[in-house]
Amino acid sequence: DTGVSQDPRHKITKRGQNVTFRCDPISEHNRLYWYRQTLGQGPEFLTYFQNEAQLEKSRLLSDRFSAERPKGSFSTLEIQRTEQGDSAMYLCASLEGGRNEQFFGPGTRLTVL
Amino acid sequence: DAKTTQPPSMDCAEGRAANLPCNHSTISGNEYVYWYRQIHSQGPQYIIHGLKNNETNEMASLIITEDRKSSTLILPHATLRDTAVYYCIAGSGNTPLVFGKGTRLSVIA
Repeated sequence: DTGVSQDPRHKITKRGQNVTFRCDPISEHNRLYWYRQTLGQGPEFLTYFQNEAQLEKSRLLSDRFSAERPKGSFSTLEIQRTEQGDSAMYLCASLEGGRNEQFFGPGTRLTVL
Repeated sequence: DAKTTQPPSMDCAEGRAANLPCNHSTISGNEYVYWYRQIHSQGPQYIIHGLKNNETNEMASLIITEDRKSSTLILPHATLRDTAVYYCIAGSGNTPLVFGKGTRLSVIA
């Protein structure tokens, strides 16, 4: 257990539905990252926050995706109108300011039917 | 794209040292070499990182060549629980990590 938690751990949804995932980072970590991982591939960066500010978004983050970190603590990742291609593991990681190692949560596995 | 290349898979006998190579010939002067591993169905786990000096911690040792174009992660006494995908990443301290496909290490009893 790294101290980063994600909820839910598994989500099965039908195509076209909206889903929301939550990440709770380690409390003193001011940076929070979202990654996506498909089968057989390494994780791919989606977006990251410093405190409540969203600093960077990957081109993978289409307009159906939105992420927030309203009070600089937990973060949510929402996918609207899900597609089968969104099926993946969504990983969250946090980082303490001035440090180098990112701590990853267990991930949320999304299956879109 | 990842700035590193790694062999897709390796085997190691339990109790022996596992030496995982990584090439990063285009690494920039201020970029670190990071190693993470991912055990099946879990999130990646940080192992070690270094800039130009060799590093050691309770999990592993990192040997970086003098020209910084390659490195080796050493697990001194591999156990079955070390079976995982190992990722070598070149990057700056707090920027997003760029993962490749990593090396699948199988530790065999």
